[in-house]
Parts: sequence; C-alpha cells; structure tokens
Amino acid sequence: EIQLVESGGGLVQPGRSLRVSCVASGFTFDDYAMYWVRQAPGKGLEWVSSISWNSGNIGYVDSVKGRFSISRDNGKNSLYLQMNSLRQEDSALYYCAKGFGELVSDAPEIWGQGTMVTVSA
Amino acid sequence: QSALTQPASVSGSPGQSITISCTGTSADIGIFNLVSWYQKHPGKGPKVIIYEGSKRPSGVSYRFSGSKSGTTASLTISGLQPEDEADYYCSSYGGSYNWVFGGGTRLTVL
Repeated sequence: EIQLVESGGGLVQPGRSLRVSCVASGFTFDDYAMYWVRQAPGKGLEWVSSISWNSGNIGYVDSVKGRFSISRDNGKNSLYLQMNSLRQEDSALYYCAKGFGELVSDAPEIWGQGTMVTVSA
Repeated sequence: QSALTQPASVSGSPGQSITISCTGTSADIGIFNLVSWYQKHPGKGPKVIIYEGSKRPSGVSYRFSGSKSGTTASLTISGLQPEDEADYYCSSYGGSYNWVFGGGTRLTVL
C-alpha cells in the first residue's frame, strides 16, 4: 500500500523558519516526481512546489520563490520543504503528493493527510 | 500563475448528470493536455479522478469523465450519488515546472 506521511508542522512566528517532511512507502520513491500542495483554512488547494525524480527539475509558486526550498533524499524515501521567512499567509495544511511519473509534468496522484503549519505571533 | 476559474458551487439530484467547468489560458489548459481533477471530502486528502484531461485512474468510477475545448476543461459526473457530494478541483500543468489549481467547486447532491 502506498503511504505518504507528512510531519514537522506546528506553530511558528512570522519571519522564522520551519522544515516539513514527508516519508514515502509502498513504491519505488526515486521513480516519481513529488509535490507540495497547501490548503489554507477555508480556502482551496494551492500548488507550492514540484521536484522531479532526480531533483533536476524544480518549480515554485511565485509567492514562495526565494523563501521556500524543496528537496528529496531518495536513499531515505523522503521529501522536504524548507520554509524560511514565513508569513501569516503561509498558514495552511501542507500536503505531500506523489506524481504519476518521474517528470514534474506528471500530475500529482497519491496524497498524504497533510501537516498543519500555523504562522502567528 | 493565475488560478484557474471554476464555479463556486453546483448541485444536482441523485441520478442526474452535472458538469463543472475549469477555465484557464493559452499558457496552461490551452497548450497542455495535462488537466487533472481531484475530489476532496472534508478531513481527507484529495483523490485524483481524472488526469491528462480524460484518463481515469484504476478504481475510479466510469461515471466520472473529463474533456477539454480550447482553454476550458470540463468534468462531468453522471448518475449522481450521495457520496459524490464533495469539493472538486481542477489543475493544469503550466510549463516551466509549474502547476496551477482552480478555486474549487462545491458539489451538493440534493
């Protein structure tokens, strides 16, 4: 069974940093692109970042460029999102998702349950 | 990276068919046949029901179908069932390793 388990969320002050993680199981992790997608309370889904199977292709939504960094460790079946200079508008449930294939143009397929990030003083 | 446009809500009675539209631009839906649709129930992670415009993943009911015309994609749900009541999101690849989602549509089964 494919599983994606996010962790690392919590309450953080504006301007501080936080790293969220996602551990994958049930599939060959390094064969697939991975994604972070967030949902603010009462709002819709927002794509945050994508990374190809070999980390060669990476994309970010404009609002997080220069502040967030996606990475993966294929040896540990893990995906990460380093979030710096956090803002209140970054408060959201952050989902990790596995793509249909190895490219970042392959849509997100399987999703985790999410980890909540709250940015507040 | 402008969000795709979806109606805020649609409704239908059991057994009926409904269609949800998703309007993008020539930079996303208009140029890529890479639209996906997600069903989201409260408290659960999204579930993909259509990918690459019209493909259904294994295990997804035939009642769900996707299509595209120009810069607008559509999701049709036939034979509405109570368990179809959920939020539905479209998404499209936008090039340069970017994706964009629609604002979501709340489906109410009357």
